[in-house]
Amino acid sequence: QKEVEQNSGPLSVPEGAIASLNCTYSDRGSQSFFWYRQYSGKSPELIMFIYSNGDKEDGRFTAQLNKASQYVSLLIRDSQPSDSATYLCAGTHASGGSYIPTFGRGTSLIVHP
Amino acid sequence: DTGVSQNPRHKITKRGQNVTFRCDPISEHNRLYWYRQTLGQGPEFLTYFQNEAQLEKSRLLSDRFSAERPKGSFSTLEIQRTEQGDSAMYLCASSLGGVSYGYTFGSGTRLTVV
Repeated sequence: QKEVEQNSGPLSVPEGAIASLNCTYSDRGSQSFFWYRQYSGKSPELIMFIYSNGDKEDGRFTAQLNKASQYVSLLIRDSQPSDSATYLCAGTHASGGSYIPTFGRGTSLIVHP
Repeated sequence: DTGVSQNPRHKITKRGQNVTFRCDPISEHNRLYWYRQTLGQGPEFLTYFQNEAQLEKSRLLSDRFSAERPKGSFSTLEIQRTEQGDSAMYLCASSLGGVSYGYTFGSGTRLTVV
């Protein structure tokens, strides 16, 4: 069973703070990891992906991957109220010549002014 | 190309009826995925196509569910004899494939079975 675990939250942070979102996965064969943002009633939109150990930065977002600990995180710096959404973590496993994402249940983030 | 397109956006049907959803992926993407999402849960994988070949199906995809991707372009997902438990958001995603490519989702089709 390939599982991705996330704390459902909500995680509440003040505007301007750093939000830290975490995810663990069970399949050591997982190749790459994705963070999606999903606003209520909307479809997921890709924020970042990472497939090498270490950190990857893109603007206010930093993804961190530790394959030994099977742990992925997303840091959001200078959090804004518009960042309030559900953040979905996904890990991919190889199948049929491609990679299929398995999603966690998501963490709800609330950024309050 | 403006992204992944799904139709209809909303569908209300009576229990026992058949429904069909359509997904048009990004034109250069040869991988296409169907997911189902219920409130408070992450997307659950249903099935995956590479070009016109259906290469993997989840055990969630009962025999009432069938998906096709003729000619490797658009895809359809049909649910026969719908049940109230089928009520969910059905999401389609497409990708170029490979470990370093992301997955682009459509807006989804929200199904309500009454």
